[in-house]
Amino acid sequence: GAVVSQHPSWVICKSGTSVKIECRSLDFQATTMFWYRQFPKQSLMLMATSNEGSKATYEQGVEKDKFLINHASLTLSTLTVTSAHPEDSSFYICSARVYRQGVSTEAFFGQGTRLTVV
Amino acid sequence: KQEVTQIPAALSVPEGENLVLNCSFTDSAIYNLQWFRQDPGKGLTSLLLIQSSQREQTSGRLNASLDKSSGRSTLYIAASQPGDSATYLCAPLGVTGGFKTIFGAGTRLFVKA
Repeated sequence: GAVVSQHPSWVICKSGTSVKIECRSLDFQATTMFWYRQFPKQSLMLMATSNEGSKATYEQGVEKDKFLINHASLTLSTLTVTSAHPEDSSFYICSARVYRQGVSTEAFFGQGTRLTVV
Repeated sequence: KQEVTQIPAALSVPEGENLVLNCSFTDSAIYNLQWFRQDPGKGLTSLLLIQSSQREQTSGRLNASLDKSSGRSTLYIAASQPGDSATYLCAPLGVTGGFKTIFGAGTRLFVKA
């Protein structure tokens, strides 16, 4: 299957600092990537849809100024958590969907990033 | 807005049992549905993908069925093994609202040796 690489796998930062998480599609081009957040023992919550070359689309309740998304190329999307606070501590996962002949097929996920804000 | 429910929330079984994990979704206008596995603290591994026009898919000991009109999918695991212990997530890809994949809360499976 296609490979989505996410970096870093874990990060600890101080309150008030910003953290950038990268999501790369290694063997395919992804015009659209998705960012999810997962709290302990809960399911994945879609935060935003990242579109290459345009602004991200955020889900209701997600602060766009807090979670900055940049999708500058067909293989890279970044999520920056700005002015992080302890309540931002969570597991963040990115996803990209493979299209074959214009048809959406599988979604592939990165390994996730465990963010801890102290 | 799509809502996905998975039953049971947790399951503990002895090794060798055949299992049934259930998923229901409120919006039947889906493009496809995927079943994923998530190990603790890890990302997601895709297990099976069923297109909306299909009724079932099989991979090894796994079989997933889809009844789109009634908004239901079932994951069967045959002859369960301790290595199957993980959380299983159901995720339909909705047509309305921009092709978003919405997840259920998952079924936490523990298979005892």
